[in-house]
Amino acid sequence: DGGITQSPKYLFRKEGQNVTLSCEQNLNHDAMYWYRQDPGQGLRLIYYSQIVNDFQKGDIAEGYSVSREKKESFPLTVTSAQKNPTAFYLCASSIQVRNTEAFFGQGTRLTVV
Amino acid sequence: GQQVMQIPQYQHVQEGEDFTTYCNSSTTLSNIQWYKQRPGGHPVFLIQLVKSGEVKKQKRLTFQFGEAKKNSSLHITATQTTDVGTYFCAGPGQGGSEKLVFGKGTKLTVNP
Repeated sequence: DGGITQSPKYLFRKEGQNVTLSCEQNLNHDAMYWYRQDPGQGLRLIYYSQIVNDFQKGDIAEGYSVSREKKESFPLTVTSAQKNPTAFYLCASSIQVRNTEAFFGQGTRLTVV
Repeated sequence: GQQVMQIPQYQHVQEGEDFTTYCNSSTTLSNIQWYKQRPGGHPVFLIQLVKSGEVKKQKRLTFQFGEAKKNSSLHITATQTTDVGTYFCAGPGQGGSEKLVFGKGTKLTVNP
């Protein structure tokens, strides 16, 4: 089945540790995105990538890092510099960045204690 | 950066009542998209509007794009309990950038 997969669904980490969230797609999409969702805040863009080996900061990139070494993969690292990392993280992909629908993964709920 | 404002933030209706959510931008949008997120789920694409004044229907859902391409609305006729969820509008970032920017969403609850 074609789709976008995020793993794990739930993740717990101790404060001060870096953690990497996985996002894989087999839709052959060029564009990929990471969003953070907090209650009442909607979806806020962390990073996005239009093509392999290229990515751009979104609106709340501080404390996060990404890589795009393969077309199908766009992992997100939440670093210890992120002040408030507990949130629901959503990965999405689209054929192109402009004017095309985004397909979302199931999300990863990260809790930092 | 580009902001897409969405109102209301919450809406509670009785089953059978109509529901409308509005999306407004300070700048002209090349297109606008609508998504639905069920409780505990992830956003799912509903529709994209591109043309000025465009109106599209999906069963009980009616989507409109304003003449100035700065606002949009989603109207649901005779809501059902299956309509429960949060509805988001989304548009390209400022200056037609490659970002996809979402409004804060309208959370709809339906009382059976």
